[in-house]
Amino acid sequence: GAVVSQHPSRVICKSGTSVKIECRSLDFQATTMFWYRQFPKQSLMLMATSNEGSKATYEQGVEKDKFLINHASLTLSTLTVTSAHPEDSSFYICSARLTSGGNEQFFGPGTRLTVL
Amino acid sequence: ILNVEQSPQSLHVQEGDSTNFTCSFPSSNFYALHWYRWETAKSPEALFVMTLNGDEKKKGRISATLNTKEGYSYLYIKGSQPEDSATYLCARGNDYKLSFGAGTTVTVRA
Repeated sequence: GAVVSQHPSRVICKSGTSVKIECRSLDFQATTMFWYRQFPKQSLMLMATSNEGSKATYEQGVEKDKFLINHASLTLSTLTVTSAHPEDSSFYICSARLTSGGNEQFFGPGTRLTVL
Repeated sequence: ILNVEQSPQSLHVQEGDSTNFTCSFPSSNFYALHWYRWETAKSPEALFVMTLNGDEKKKGRISATLNTKEGYSYLYIKGSQPEDSATYLCARGNDYKLSFGAGTTVTVRA
């Protein structure tokens, strides 16, 4: 149980285009989902907390107009990288907490974004 | 310590040998310490969530200890097997937000 999927697993796009990444909890409901980014040889860095039915909370230094988050249902959160540039190339990964509570976060497999 | 730090960054261990590595974290306002195992192209898998000082948890051949007063946790792998090859992440939890270390990559040689 507690499976999280992410789509796509890999995407290559041209500079200036927008890219949407989906995070789905497959067998549980998740009121809260989290989006992380990882640059090479660095740790996972929390970008934002996504709450179902309300606005996302962004960490300091993360541009909310650049990284649009929508959490329209209890099983789906999306991250849209708008007007992507090469410096946005990174590994993006989401996690989800059970609506029923608990400390655990369940992770998706991640999305590798390359902006040319 | 201001951030979560893991050491060593990588290690190689012979099959059958035991190994351990460290996660250091800020000890003030401690809430929880998480350990994950992350295999290439897969989702990070939750191993342990630890909250109490002196806590020790075990899952098969893998165990972890926690010292919240001095801010460190050890992860032990007993009798390493090739399937233990992965990156092991620790994360300090604070109000459901996780701050991760960069991980320790373990390679088990047959």
